[in-house]
Amino acid sequence: DAGVIQSPRHEVTEMGQEVTLRCKPISGHNSLFWYRQTMMRGLELLIYFNNNVPIDDSGMPEDRFSAKMPNASFSTLKIQPSEPRDSAVYFCASRPQLWTGSNTGELFFGEGSRLTVL
Amino acid sequence: AQKITQTQPGMFVQEKEAVTLDCTYDTSDPSYGLFWYKQPSSGEMIFLIYQGSYDQQNATEGRYSLNFQKARKSANLVISASQLGDSAMYFCAMRDNYGQNFVFGPGTRLSVLP
Repeated sequence: DAGVIQSPRHEVTEMGQEVTLRCKPISGHNSLFWYRQTMMRGLELLIYFNNNVPIDDSGMPEDRFSAKMPNASFSTLKIQPSEPRDSAVYFCASRPQLWTGSNTGELFFGEGSRLTVL
Repeated sequence: AQKITQTQPGMFVQEKEAVTLDCTYDTSDPSYGLFWYKQPSSGEMIFLIYQGSYDQQNATEGRYSLNFQKARKSANLVISASQLGDSAMYFCAMRDNYGQNFVFGPGTRLSVLP
């Protein structure tokens, strides 16, 4: 079975450019999470969706960040305009419905998208 | 709000020895789940073990066991018979009862020495 698929794996861009990161969750999973990982701040939860609906976006750093989940099999995280401090690894993770699809609720992670903003 | 604390930024252990990685948590939820993930240098996040807040027994998965002390709000990971391949970052994490908030600790970097 295919895992969580993220693209691109690596992105190098210049300050001010728009960046779009993509995620395809595992089929049948109904929750999707976006995390950012940096040395200084560790793993930060940016936003999570349940059944394609954003539940909590309080972790989104600022208005330059936006996330969408137009359907159950696709999500995007967009940064516009990008800044050097956005350089990080961005992880997408998905999970089946808690208590009906899974009793534990562990997250299944993609391989991450490494973003470098020059 | 939920919070995870891992007080050991780095740990060393001799190959074949056991090691304990500390994790304490803070939550006001009566029901929650605790997890450990491993992140090797290649970067992927690997799920290791889960403990539910109402589970009576400590979780075990092969060489991994979770020392759960609910009153102390601690969920330490014990790795027995360490192997060189265990060298990695280890993250403790917690979700609430609805699974709608999944937070990670800062991590502990484990180095296994030959």
